Parts: sequence; C-alpha cells; structure tokens
Amino acid sequence: LAKTTQPISMDSYEGQEVNITCSHNNIATNDYITWYQQFPSQGPRFIIQGYKTKVTNEVASLFIPADRKSSTLSLPRVSLSDTAVYYCLVDKNRDDKIIFGKGTRLHILP
Amino acid sequence: DTGVSQDPRHKITKRGQNVTFRCDPISEHNRLYWYRQTLGQGPEFLTYFQNEAQLEKSRLLSDRFSAERPKGSFSTLEIQRTEQGDSAMYLCASSLAGGYNEQFFGPGTRLTVL
Repeated sequence: LAKTTQPISMDSYEGQEVNITCSHNNIATNDYITWYQQFPSQGPRFIIQGYKTKVTNEVASLFIPADRKSSTLSLPRVSLSDTAVYYCLVDKNRDDKIIFGKGTRLHILP
Repeated sequence: DTGVSQDPRHKITKRGQNVTFRCDPISEHNRLYWYRQTLGQGPEFLTYFQNEAQLEKSRLLSDRFSAERPKGSFSTLEIQRTEQGDSAMYLCASSLAGGYNEQFFGPGTRLTVL
C-alpha cells in the first residue's frame, strides 16, 4: 500500500477555501486516491475519489497532477461544520479493507 | 444517518467481563467491516465479511475477539475477558461488493474498560 503524508492539523476561517495536500510518492499505476471525512463522535464518510486530473462533486474538488505523486483536496467556502478529520487514502480500486492514516485535523474558526 | 446502525452506542464494563456489540448494515450491502479507533488515531481494520463468510481478519483481532454474521445481515463483535487496552471506538461499515464501492460507516460503539 502506498504511504501517504498529510499535515497533522490545519486552521482556517469561515468562508475561506481550504486546500489539504497529500503526498504519495510511491503511488502505483493502478492506485486510486480517496478522501474520507470524519466528524467528532461519528464514523468516517466518503468524500471523493479520483485517479488523475480533477474530480469535482457537491462537497469538494480533488486535484491530481500528472505525476500523481500528490493530490489536493479543495473545500470551497468552508463553514464551522467542516471542522473534522480528513483522511487521504491511496489504494487499488477494490472493495476490501481501508487502511487509514492519522489524517488532517481541520479546525474552522469563526 | 448513513443507514448503518450500531448498538449500544456506549458501553462501560469492568476488566475481565465479556461484551458484545451489534451492527446492522444497509440492507442490500453484502460486505460488512469492523474497525477500531483509539483517540487521535485513524480507524484500524479488524475484520470483514462478504455475506456470512469472514474473508479477512487482522492480526489486531486476538483470540479474545470474535465476529459473526450468521445470516449475512447483522453482525456481532464479541470481546471476551476485556482489558483496559480494549477501550476504543468500534466502528462498523458496510458496502456493496464488486469494484470500488464506498463504505458507509455507523456511529460506532464507544467501549470503556475500567
């Protein structure tokens, strides 16, 4: 499994765009990049998944450069309710266990 | 609400006691997963089922832990002779099998072993 590195924590303010970058230098050709979000006292929730270039959904955008050695999760106009832990995962596109790291603790300030 | 429910939400027990947790997945999901999460860490995989078959068990799942999914629907996770180190949040997730399908997590059962 490709190892990922992401910041331990980040602070931002309401209304700002937040970008969380994840490094995955050893990503394999058939690996996908997936992000999960976890609010306090809840289980993780799938946010977005991508393989290359850009993916956008109603929650976030995922930017993946051509070399795929990193990816950036972009949250537009964050609110206090976006305070959560965000996990970057790199793995083959398969349906078995998820290996979580420590994630990035995002704290949104008023 | 993801559609995955867990019971109980909180459990306090004394060291040495047995505890059992239940997970009800989304009804059409044939995959069911158990994870454990301690404070400040990401969830750690314990085991997963496809229908009633247990397909993989982590080395974290010691002999004191057992999981079942007898009819391919709900699942139970039992911990025998609990230890203080078992204190954690136990998370259940479910998904459809076949290709990548996101896992839907329940709210978890928080276990405190005194």
